[in-house]
Amino acid sequence: IQMAQSPPSLSASVGDRVTITCRASQNIRTYLNWYQLKPGKAPKLLIYGASSLQRDVPSRFSGSGSGTDFTLTISGLQPDDFATYYCQQSDSSLMYSFGQGTKLEIK
Amino acid sequence: EVQLVETGGGLIQPGGSLRLSCSVSGFSVSSDYMNWVRQAPGKGLEWVSLIYGGHTASYADSVKGRFTVSRDNSKNTMYLQMNNLRVEDTAVYYCARANSGLYDALDVWGQGTMVAVSS
Repeated sequence: IQMAQSPPSLSASVGDRVTITCRASQNIRTYLNWYQLKPGKAPKLLIYGASSLQRDVPSRFSGSGSGTDFTLTISGLQPDDFATYYCQQSDSSLMYSFGQGTKLEIK
Repeated sequence: EVQLVETGGGLIQPGGSLRLSCSVSGFSVSSDYMNWVRQAPGKGLEWVSLIYGGHTASYADSVKGRFTVSRDNSKNTMYLQMNNLRVEDTAVYYCARANSGLYDALDVWGQGTMVAVSS
């Protein structure tokens, strides 16, 4: 299953609302997860099952979608949110796959 | 405390072999799908392999036939045997747990171990 994520990069300001999209090459129901990656750190799970917020993740992060089209929205960007974000499908238990990533930078 | 710790990375010549270990604490290595994920320098995350059930495993096409994942339940440790290494295998390798209660999302990650393949 191929995952197409867009945009590859995004420039925004503190307080902005941003949206990242992810499209699967086939129906993955809601087996879509979002991660945040910062240099030198392990990836951090933000959203699982397309729309469920992982424990201890701020509520400004939200996810939506089902089937093939999904979005990650960050409402009210904070300085700590500037990082790279990845979607990942877990519908195919024999071969997971990630999107190409979206680098969120400060404008 | 739930924790994963990877070891075994290093510098290796093309064609060489290396074995990575992922030591698990706070849960059983046999209870969930366990994964290897890598990130090459300047690149994105790439899923590499997973192991579940008894010894059922799957692999990304890029490593199939060269890498083998296994686990030792008595040591609560997962391994990744990497043979015939290529320059393009250079990456930070992470182990991660797929939580079946969270749509198989990767909810626990290690800190990563660096593998550099170069002559």
